[in-house]
Amino acid sequence: DIQMTQSPSSLSASVGDRVTITCRASQDISNYLAWFQQKPGKAPKSLIYAASSLQSGVPSKFSGSGSGTDFTLTINSLQPEDFATYYCQQYKSYPLTFGGGTKVEIK
Amino acid sequence: EVQLVESGGGLVQPGGSLRLSCAASGFTFSDHYMDWVRQAPGKGLEWVGHTRDKAHSYTTEYAASVKGRFTISRDDSKKSLYLQMNSLKTEDTAVYYCTRALFSGGHYSFDSWGQGTLVTVSS
Repeated sequence: DIQMTQSPSSLSASVGDRVTITCRASQDISNYLAWFQQKPGKAPKSLIYAASSLQSGVPSKFSGSGSGTDFTLTINSLQPEDFATYYCQQYKSYPLTFGGGTKVEIK
Repeated sequence: EVQLVESGGGLVQPGGSLRLSCAASGFTFSDHYMDWVRQAPGKGLEWVGHTRDKAHSYTTEYAASVKGRFTISRDDSKKSLYLQMNSLKTEDTAVYYCTRALFSGGHYSFDSWGQGTLVTVSS
């Protein structure tokens, strides 16, 4: 199975900050990577697929990059509604696997 | 508007069975792969499995942790997805989400999610 490792597991940031979350795959997954946002008590929301393609309706403040084994999710100008947990997920091979999550908290 | 509504969760004893349903609306259900993803209390997301569409013979894939115990099926005429869970274990306790899979340029994404249904396995 492909292991997905996210770092950091949590971070504190202020409104207006730029935040970067890293996701590393245990083997080459090309760009078969997605990112999700989850708020407490809610279902996850798809942000990005194909490592860098924004899902329809997702604001351009979110961006993704990377290929192979190393990926990043960047959130520009952090707003109160962006405080949540973010997950990466690979879909290069079965079983589909998620990273452990990164919780973005208010400083 | 795409809507996915799960139902069927509840409390079940270890070794028991439960069937979850997901009612879909707002899109052509038969055209999509459909997945189940679960989340244990306070934990991260875990893919459970999926069913492909009719064009791919409704074949299924499963996570190793549920293979042989869980069965995913669908009824396109009812726009419904199902998860039959047998031989349940305490570690199956989780919120179960139904998701729609979207293919775009060879890429696969869970673009819509239901609200989830809680399954608690406990004696």
